[in-house]
Amino acid sequence: GAVVSQHPSRVICKSGTSVKIECRSLDFQATTMFWYRQFPKQSLMLMATSNEGSKATYEQGVEKDKFLINHASLTLSTLTVTSAHPEDSSFYICSASGSEETQYFGPGTRLLVL
Amino acid sequence: QKEVEQNSGPLSVPEGAIASLNCTYSDRVSQSFFWYRQYSGKSPELIMSIYSNGDKEDGRFTAQLNKASQYVSLLIRDSQPSDSATYLCAVNDRGMRFGAGTRLTVKP
Repeated sequence: GAVVSQHPSRVICKSGTSVKIECRSLDFQATTMFWYRQFPKQSLMLMATSNEGSKATYEQGVEKDKFLINHASLTLSTLTVTSAHPEDSSFYICSASGSEETQYFGPGTRLLVL
Repeated sequence: QKEVEQNSGPLSVPEGAIASLNCTYSDRVSQSFFWYRQYSGKSPELIMSIYSNGDKEDGRFTAQLNKASQYVSLLIRDSQPSDSATYLCAVNDRGMRFGAGTRLTVKP
């Protein structure tokens, strides 16, 4: 199957700082990338969808000014959590899809905001 | 009404038994359905996708789709302890919409 990587795998930051998470498709061109968030003992919730070169489409209730998404190339999307607060602590997972509908998930980034 | 609903379990089966996982979805026009497995602390991994009514088999896994009943299921034959995980049903609707997941434990 296709490989998607995320970096970093784990990050701890102070409240008020910004954190950038990278998502890369390693062996295919991802026309669409998705960002999900998973709180403990809950399922994954879609945050936003991004197409290369276009503005991201955010789900209802997700603040676009807080969660900045850039999809500058067919293999890279970034999610920046701006002015992070403890309630933003979560497991952030990206996925990517190419010509097929199937989404391939990255390993996830665990964010802890102190 | 939630878009995708699953029985959260937990579901426990003995090793070698058949595990049956069920899922219903609310949007009648949905076309693409997926089962993912998620181990604790890890991201989901794809088990199967299904698009047409009927059964789709892949090794020990069989997905069943009934669009009239808006129902998707996953059967795991010859369950192994390594199958113990949370199983997520998902519908692709401009991004995956996941159910809450069913926690499966396979006891040796």
